[in-house]
Amino acid sequence: DAKTTQPPSMDCAEGRAANLPCNHSTISGNEYVYWYRQIHSQGPQYIIHGLKNNETNEMASLIITEDRKSSTLILPHATLRDTAVYYCIVRLQISSGSARQLTFGSGTQLTVLP
Amino acid sequence: NAGVMQNPRHLVRRRGQEARLRCSPMKGHSHVYWYRQLPEEGLKFMVYLQKENIIDESGMPKERFSAEFPKEGPSILRIQQVVRGDSAAYFCASSMGRDNGYTFGSGTRLTVV
Repeated sequence: DAKTTQPPSMDCAEGRAANLPCNHSTISGNEYVYWYRQIHSQGPQYIIHGLKNNETNEMASLIITEDRKSSTLILPHATLRDTAVYYCIVRLQISSGSARQLTFGSGTQLTVLP
Repeated sequence: NAGVMQNPRHLVRRRGQEARLRCSPMKGHSHVYWYRQLPEEGLKFMVYLQKENIIDESGMPKERFSAEFPKEGPSILRIQQVVRGDSAAYFCASSMGRDNGYTFGSGTRLTVV
């Protein structure tokens, strides 16, 4: 699976958009980009994933560059409860019947400030 | 539809004892993954199981650790003869085995005294 690079920490003002970048310059054509977050001492929480098109759900938006070498997770209106470690993970598209494990890096500690 | 259930939430063992951690996947999920998170560190993959099969145990320590996912019942992560370095949060995740995100449980926090 391709390696990802994320800034170790970021701050964001409450109510503003939080934009979390991720570099995955060695990504291959059949690797997905996943985002998870871990609020202190809790289990990781799935946020969103995508292959090459931008994706949006009730939690966030995922913007993937055209060359797929980087992506940005956008939390449109950050709240204090969004303070967490955010993990960007690239995973090979799975074959039928199998599901490879996720490999977590160090992530970005997002702190939402009041 | 209950999420991934892990129990116990907290487990205290003395050095040399055995620790048994349980994970019940989400309904309809037949793939289970165990991860360990040492204090102040990231999540490390341990083992991936399907019903009655170990698919990938590349992250499991060679000794004292074992995992199973029987046909009936929860997945079990067993740590024999625990040492202080085993103190960590152990997370279980499950999936349907297709291109879906995983669902994680709340974890079991093991403390070895």
